[in-house]
Amino acid sequence: EAGVVQSPRYKIIEKKQPVAFWCNPISGHNTLYWYRQNLGQGPELLIRYENEEAVDDSQLPKDRFSAERLKGVDSTLKIQPAELGDSAVYLCASSSVGLAGGHENEQFFGPGTRLTVL
Amino acid sequence: AQKITQTQPGMFVQEKEAVTLDCTYDTSDPSYGLFWYKQPSSGEMIFLIYQGSYDQQNATEGRYSLNFQKARKSANLVISASQLGDSAMYFCAMREGLGFGNEKLTFGTGTRLTIIP
Repeated sequence: EAGVVQSPRYKIIEKKQPVAFWCNPISGHNTLYWYRQNLGQGPELLIRYENEEAVDDSQLPKDRFSAERLKGVDSTLKIQPAELGDSAVYLCASSSVGLAGGHENEQFFGPGTRLTVL
Repeated sequence: AQKITQTQPGMFVQEKEAVTLDCTYDTSDPSYGLFWYKQPSSGEMIFLIYQGSYDQQNATEGRYSLNFQKARKSANLVISASQLGDSAMYFCAMREGLGFGNEKLTFGTGTRLTIIP
């Protein structure tokens, strides 16, 4: 079974430029997450989708960040314009939400996109 | 207050020895789940083990076990017979509420484990 796929793996841009990250979750997983992981920190949730609906975007900086999951499968996270502080690893994860909670809600992570803003 | 605290930024352990990675958590929700993930240098977060707040027994998965002390709000990861491939960052995470819609994970700052040959 294929895991969560992300591209690109690495991206270097100058500040004020736009950038986009793509994620394809595990087939059949209805929940998709975007996390940001700053250097030396654990991941922090940016946005969570249930199918095509963004159900938790409270941590997404909406002035410059946007995300979409139009058909409830793959997703794109965009930053426009990028700032120096956006340098981080952007992780995508997916899960198959169960009603009872527990192990079945395990999140499977992709390899991440390492963004460097110069 | 930090929801997940990992007090060991780094640890060095001799190969084949057991190692304990500390994790304490803070929540007022009686229903929660605790996760441990491994992040090698490749960057991918790999799920290791899960403990639910109502689970009566400590979770075990192969060489991984979770020392769950609910009253102390600690969920330490124990790796038995460490191997060179265990060298990585280890993150403790918590999900508060176990029902549908409570899937947000809160992560600690991680512990970098280095296994010495």
